[in-house]
Amino acid sequence: DGGITQSPKYLFRKEGQNVTLSCEQNLNHDAMYWYRQDPGQGLRLIYYSQIVNDFQKGDIAEGYSVSREKKESFPLTVTSAQKNPTAFYLCASRLEPRGSMNTEAFFGQGTRLTVV
Amino acid sequence: DAKTTQPNSMESNEEEPVHLPCNHSTISGTDYIHWYRQLPSQGPEYVIHGLTSNVNNRMASLAIAEDRKSSTLILHRATLRDAAVYYCILRDEYSGYALNFGKGTSLLVTP
Repeated sequence: DGGITQSPKYLFRKEGQNVTLSCEQNLNHDAMYWYRQDPGQGLRLIYYSQIVNDFQKGDIAEGYSVSREKKESFPLTVTSAQKNPTAFYLCASRLEPRGSMNTEAFFGQGTRLTVV
Repeated sequence: DAKTTQPNSMESNEEEPVHLPCNHSTISGTDYIHWYRQLPSQGPEYVIHGLTSNVNNRMASLAIAEDRKSSTLILHRATLRDAAVYYCILRDEYSGYALNFGKGTSLLVTP
């Protein structure tokens, strides 16, 4: 089945440790995105990538890093510089980086990160 | 990107139609209107989108005002599984690389 997979679903880390969240898609989509969601809030864009080996900062990129070495993978690292990392993290992908009507985004099921 | 305004919450009875409003008075000519919904503890899922004409699909209908400054997502018969947060988003097809989600409308469906 085609889709977008995030792992793990729940993640616990100690304060001060870096942690990497996985996002894999087999939809052959060009564009991939990372969002953060806090309780009762909407989604905020962290990073996005339109093509392999290229990515751009979103609205809240500080304390996060990404890589896009393969089309199907877009891992997110939450670094120790992120002051409040506990949140629900969502990865998404789209078929094309720009244009056309039929560019719905597909989301993964999310990773709930808790830093203690 | 132009902003959208949605009510924080709405309530509906099961099997009744639901009309979810969205105001977007600063919409530009190249902005598409997208709707997504997010069930509890899940990622958002696409519902419907349109530009000027009303649109129908298996999930819902989208009614767009003639001046495009507002739109309404219509669920024809609400079920308990439709309880979710519904997001109305404007996306410029020429420069909108990402979807910008606000807080959306939390829909409660009661039996």
